Formats: sequence, C-alpha cells, structure tokens
Amino acid sequence: NAGVTQTPKFQVLKTGQSMTLQCAQDMNHNSMYWYRQDPGMGLRLIYYSASEGTTDKGEVPNGYNVSRLNKREFSLRLESAAPSQTSVYFCASSRGGGYGYTFGSGTRLTVV
Amino acid sequence: QQQVKQSPQSLIVQKGGISIINCAYENTAFDYFPWYQQFPGKGPALLIAIRPDVSEKKEGRFTISFNKSAKQFSLHIMDSQPGDSATYFCAASMEGYQKVTFGTGTKLQVIP
Repeated sequence: NAGVTQTPKFQVLKTGQSMTLQCAQDMNHNSMYWYRQDPGMGLRLIYYSASEGTTDKGEVPNGYNVSRLNKREFSLRLESAAPSQTSVYFCASSRGGGYGYTFGSGTRLTVV
Repeated sequence: QQQVKQSPQSLIVQKGGISIINCAYENTAFDYFPWYQQFPGKGPALLIAIRPDVSEKKEGRFTISFNKSAKQFSLHIMDSQPGDSATYFCAASMEGYQKVTFGTGTKLQVIP
C-alpha cells in the first residue's frame, strides 16, 4: 500500500546541473501532478498529466519538463538548475480531475 | 477567478480550544472543496471535503462550514490538540477541470 512514491528525498545540485525527479503511483490513478512548495507561496502547479499520454503546463512551468512514462510513472526534469528552483517538490495523483489528491512525501531540492 | 483566498496565515490556539480557518473563492463553478493537512516533512493529505449542496460536513472533531451565497467555507477544529499542529490548505475544483486551486495555507500551532 505504497500510494505515491517519490525519489530522491533530498538533493543538492550546482547551478547548471540537470536532474530528474521520479514519481510512481500504485493506485491505478489516471491523473498525476507536480507541485512545488515555497514558504508563503502555498502549492504551485508545475505540470500535470490528465491521463497517460498527455501533459499540460501548470502555473509555473518555466525551467521544467515532464514525461508521463506510463500510467504509473510521471517524471519531472530540470535541464539546467537555477537557485530559484530551490524548493520542495511534491508529486500527486488522483483518479480523475481535481478530486481527492494523494501526495507523495516530497523531494527537498537545493540549488547552490 | 480561479483564486482561493485563505486566512489567517498562522494561528496559535490553546489545547482544547476551537481552531477556525477561513477560505473565500470567486468562481461559482467550483463544486468540490477539500481541505488538506500537512505535517512537517510530509506531503499534504486529504482531511475532509464538501460539495456545495450541503452547508456543513462533520468528521470527528473536524467540521467544514459552507456558505454558498457568500462564496466562503471554513474549517473548524473542535477540542484542538497538540497533534493537530500542522499546515492546513483549503482548495477548490470543479467538474471537468483537471486541476485543484489551493489556498496559501495556514500554519496551526496548538499549545498545551
């Protein structure tokens, strides 16, 4: 009963480095999401995938790319990390639409 | 139109007291209003949700009050306990809309 699994839990990157955040869900959910959480800013949507094979931009997509690898997995890639991307990243899934998100435990990313 | 405004930003309540967090929305098409609870170092978790056809929903010590005409909803935590200390997010979504709109969060501290 894992729910939503995110890896890694912590990461430190140097400016300009790239990395991929991994997310997998085992609930057979159709929709998956990537959020970032910054102090005082709440949860901001980066990208989402309404169903396998589709992805769409959220409110803060610049500097990120995503891949919906299959129904279970949704990855987030930072091609050239910047200090402004220092944040806590959360993956979430739902069976459809905006109803009943299940969140992962997050990845704390620091870009120096 | 898509914004959800949440207040207060932080709240300190004595053990046994009532914690009240308020949210307001503009878009009358929203039809699902969840609350999420987030403990430090964890992802948000769905706490309780309401649809606009009812004015109140209660689950244990947690109650959502919904005022459709005022476009406001609130979370009441009765008999608040130190274990309730967390950040609470209100949210809103609607049929056919793939995303959830989150409030900016309220950090609740319940002191003994």
